[in-house]
Amino acid sequence: DTAVSQTPKYLVTQMGNDKSIKCEQNLGHDTMYWYKQDSKKFLKIMFSYNNKELIINETVPNRFSPKSPDKAHLNLHINSLELGDSAVYFCATRTTDTQYFGPGTRLTVL
Amino acid sequence: DQQVKQNSPSLSVQEGRISILNCDYTNSMFDYFLWYKKYPAEGPTFLISISSIKDKNEDGRFTVFLNKSAKHLSLHIVPSQPGDSAVYFCAAKSQGNLIFGKGTKLSVKP
Repeated sequence: DTAVSQTPKYLVTQMGNDKSIKCEQNLGHDTMYWYKQDSKKFLKIMFSYNNKELIINETVPNRFSPKSPDKAHLNLHINSLELGDSAVYFCATRTTDTQYFGPGTRLTVL
Repeated sequence: DQQVKQNSPSLSVQEGRISILNCDYTNSMFDYFLWYKKYPAEGPTFLISISSIKDKNEDGRFTVFLNKSAKHLSLHIVPSQPGDSAVYFCAAKSQGNLIFGKGTKLSVKP
């Protein structure tokens, strides 16, 4: 039974399009994250949601918007996609000391 | 500016020998450190952690050592197995969030 799931696993799209990536967790954790792993392999935090409130936003362009319809979901919407948005995006949840990651979504912008 | 550094992008070890993965950090306020393991096309999975009040934590074949004065931690895997081949990320906890290193790709050869 998957603890943190993401859909889709792969996403290929054209520049300028709007797309969404979904994340669902069944761990009951209060805090969820979105990370971006770019071509240089750095894992960088993008957003954190705690009880449906955005608590950090690490200088991410406002084309990216997280939306949490409920505690178990944190979706990532991206408007006007750019080439530089190509990366692997990971959703994660958090306990006190540990984070649990989803399998990742590889986004390719052509 | 990288606060968590893994200076070796790759490491190759013979099966049965010890693997030593290194990590350096710059912020003395970090109070908790974690190691994650990542297979291709999967999300990072938690491996082992250590609090800043300890200098060693052991879990089976995996041991993490922390040298606070040197701001250095290392992960020892002994004996190494081919299934350990993966990318290993070091992470430091800061105000509840994790800051990741760039990762070290470990290859364990039979």
